[in-house]
Amino acid sequence: DTGVSQDPRHKITKRGQNVTFRCDPISEHNRLYWYRQTLGQGPEFLTYFQNEAQLEKSRLLSDRFSAERPKGSFSTLEIQRTEQGDSAMYLCASSLRDRAYEQYFGPGTRLTVT
Amino acid sequence: QKEVEQNSGPLSVPEGAIASLNCTYSDRGSQSFFWYRQYSGKSPELIMSIYSNGDKEDGRFTAQLNKASQYVSLLIRDSQPSDSATYLCAVNNGMDSSYKLIFGSGTRLLVRP
Repeated sequence: DTGVSQDPRHKITKRGQNVTFRCDPISEHNRLYWYRQTLGQGPEFLTYFQNEAQLEKSRLLSDRFSAERPKGSFSTLEIQRTEQGDSAMYLCASSLRDRAYEQYFGPGTRLTVT
Repeated sequence: QKEVEQNSGPLSVPEGAIASLNCTYSDRGSQSFFWYRQYSGKSPELIMSIYSNGDKEDGRFTAQLNKASQYVSLLIRDSQPSDSATYLCAVNNGMDSSYKLIFGSGTRLLVRP
């Protein structure tokens, strides 16, 4: 499978715990994006990397959220001190440099905070 | 006003009919427009992109863009039950070298056998 992969696919955690998600983009894609989607809504942009550089962050990305993309390959999204409002599907997407707007999504990680 | 607006539906059409899905956007500077299909419990799948006014056809799908009216639509010809899904409209406003997509809430399409 050469698509975007995400791990884990599902995560249940208790409020206050930290969680980390991983995304592996399509191999030749140098741009990587994180979005969050709640039920009945479209995805909302969180942050974006070009290679290892984090170039844009949404105001939705509070200081409890941090994302990294070491070496410009896979990316991790960490949520510290989770809250029930963090329950959502976390989607990763990637794109080619010269077709940056055509973003291809992975299967997502569904987070449930209890 | 939401940046990208879609009727939530459901839009119900019989098998074989043309399904017409509509989207309006608020930022007149928007440059790039996309349609994603999302099956229940799955992630969005890119099905069409359009960048200039007019029509773009790909198989049974036609995307239509009218920048003057700030309107983009998706036509699905010969609709099949397998087309039943939520269709998300996404827009990039091209500002500040941002590559983020702004999504509507989606229109749910039901194709009746």
